Amino acid sequence: NAGVTQTPKFQVLKTGQSMTLQCAQDMNHEYMSWYRQDPGMGLRLIHYSVGAGITDQGEVPNGYNVSRSTTEDFPLRLLSAAPSQTSVYFCASSQTTGRFEKLFFGSGTQLSVL
Amino acid sequence: LAKTTQPISMDSYEGQEVNITCSHNNIATNDYITWYQQFPSQGPRFIIQGYKTKVTNEVASLFIPADRKSSTLSLPRVSLSDTAVYYCLVGNNAGNMLTFGGGTRLMVKP
Repeated sequence: NAGVTQTPKFQVLKTGQSMTLQCAQDMNHEYMSWYRQDPGMGLRLIHYSVGAGITDQGEVPNGYNVSRSTTEDFPLRLLSAAPSQTSVYFCASSQTTGRFEKLFFGSGTQLSVL
Repeated sequence: LAKTTQPISMDSYEGQEVNITCSHNNIATNDYITWYQQFPSQGPRFIIQGYKTKVTNEVASLFIPADRKSSTLSLPRVSLSDTAVYYCLVGNNAGNMLTFGGGTRLMVKP
């Protein structure tokens, strides 16, 4: 059972480039979310989805887009990367949102924007 | 968003009990409190969750006072492998208002 899989593990971008961080889960979870982790600031919610076709903004959504065409996949897109987006990105999923469930996290993507 | 505050770091020795407190003064009625453990180069991993009073599982206990403005994660008899960063998460049952604390770096010494 793979759980939550994130790719790539590492990425270096130049300012203005675009890219997509991939996230897939094989647990048939309804809820999926993206976080960024910066030193001393814990994890901050970027975007989340409560099911296929439904997405919404979290605490720090600017500069990021998401889509949820299937239950399994929840990609995060950076349209024009900026140095301020240098961070470690985590994808997480949980079974439902009817009651707050525990989150299962991927292993993260370390992104550097030069 | 419920703001959470945790100590930045703590030191302990093997075999001791460790208590890490998280403050969340403006916690909402529907918010749950969850604690996660994170090792380097890994995503956070669920430890324990509670709403009020005391919750215990095979690895930890969670104490929540009646006013719910703080919570304490208790790790009994820590070992070197418990060296990690511990995060307090306060969130509602819609999953859209999730606030992680800044994390507490626990160092367990032999």
